[in-house]
Amino acid sequence: NAGVTQTPKFQVLKTGQSMTLQCAQDMNHNSMYWYRQDPGMGLRLIYYSASEGTTDKGEVPNGYNVSRLNKREFSLRLESAAPSQTSVYFCASKSPQGLDWLYGYTFGSGTRLTVV
Amino acid sequence: AQSVTQLGSHVSVSEGALVLLRCNYSSSVPPYLFWYVQYPNQGLQLLLKYTTGATLVKGINGFEAEFKKSETSFHLTKPSAHMSDAAEYFCAVRVYNQGGKLIFGQGTELSVKP
Repeated sequence: NAGVTQTPKFQVLKTGQSMTLQCAQDMNHNSMYWYRQDPGMGLRLIYYSASEGTTDKGEVPNGYNVSRLNKREFSLRLESAAPSQTSVYFCASKSPQGLDWLYGYTFGSGTRLTVV
Repeated sequence: AQSVTQLGSHVSVSEGALVLLRCNYSSSVPPYLFWYVQYPNQGLQLLLKYTTGATLVKGINGFEAEFKKSETSFHLTKPSAHMSDAAEYFCAVRVYNQGGKLIFGQGTELSVKP
């Protein structure tokens, strides 16, 4: 099925460990996003990639890095995990600028990360 | 800058009652507005969106929302709540630059009492 695939779905890390969250879309979308969701705060943008080869910071980028490996894949890396990074992480992609009014955004099912 | 405010972090209604979830936005350009629903331990599902044209937008599961420019609002309604509507609801506005990112409200958790 077409869509956005995130792996892993669940992860527990110890403080200071590193990990990479993977995201892939098969809809030929240009723009991809990483959000984190915390209770009472909605979804906040960590990083985005408007097109292959470009990445930019969102509202809460500290402690994260990203890689737009190719048009399909956009990964999020935590170099040294902290308890404050315990959250649910969502990857999303958006159809091209001229068509986003029609097709909009597609979200992955999320990664639940706990840092102890 | 664009922003979204959802009034009320928790709303509780009885089954069969009207559902009204409030969303106000701030935007200096004509906004694209969205409502998403998130069921427990699941991802986000698009309920409906407003881009241009008709200001009353119908979505899935009997929900609808009306874009009111004069009030900068995009409230979500459903005439008769069902137990299965219990979920968290997010209003969002698209930013025209910065990759077309979405800015979300803080969310409203809807409880439905039997």
